[in-house]
Amino acid sequence: AQSVTQPDIHITVSEGASLELRCNYSYGATPYLFWYVQSPGQGLQLLLKYFSGDTLVQGIKGFEAEFKRSQSSFNLRKPSVHWSDAAEYFCAVGLTGGGNKLTFGTGTQLKVEL
Amino acid sequence: DSGVTQTPKHLITATGQRVTLRCSPRSGDLSVYWYQQSLDQGLQFLIQYYNGEERAKGNILERFSAQQFPDLHSELNLSSLELGDSALYFCASSVGNTEQYFGPGTRLTVT
Repeated sequence: AQSVTQPDIHITVSEGASLELRCNYSYGATPYLFWYVQSPGQGLQLLLKYFSGDTLVQGIKGFEAEFKRSQSSFNLRKPSVHWSDAAEYFCAVGLTGGGNKLTFGTGTQLKVEL
Repeated sequence: DSGVTQTPKHLITATGQRVTLRCSPRSGDLSVYWYQQSLDQGLQFLIQYYNGEERAKGNILERFSAQQFPDLHSELNLSSLELGDSALYFCASSVGNTEQYFGPGTRLTVT
């Protein structure tokens, strides 16, 4: 069964600093990979996705992520964080065949210091 | 706004009761998914429907059931509710095996 690990439960960065959120997955084949963001009291918003092809994917709000097969990782990055980026970020993996259920990591809570 | 709607937004009920959560997918999406988000279990997949048929099942309790109707909206029925069922319930939709778009969720509180 697939699994997703987000090793950092909490991360604090200063506004304007760069950000990298880590995600490692365990899956027998190349999975579909996603990053979602959840603001307090809100639903999950899709930031970006990787299905195949270019391993560096661009998303909304200035985020990008890089798929590294050798490291089973899909880390999320942003060059300059804004205060409005404070939220919880979830990495998810989906199956590449049959049903399309998502398996989520435990999330990383991002705090932005002004 | 993802285009996925869920009602109600909040639900407070007592143990032993039954509730129904409703979800309308994005226009054109045939797949509907239900997830539960709780503090101890995190985000967990419950069940998927595709064009009215059950497609995949996850950690869904026998007390829970779902269906997708001909107009593609879906309902999640939770019965014999327990305190531990208190959680955020999300619906998501997709076009086939593609990215899923999530609704705002229904917060269920069982007292």
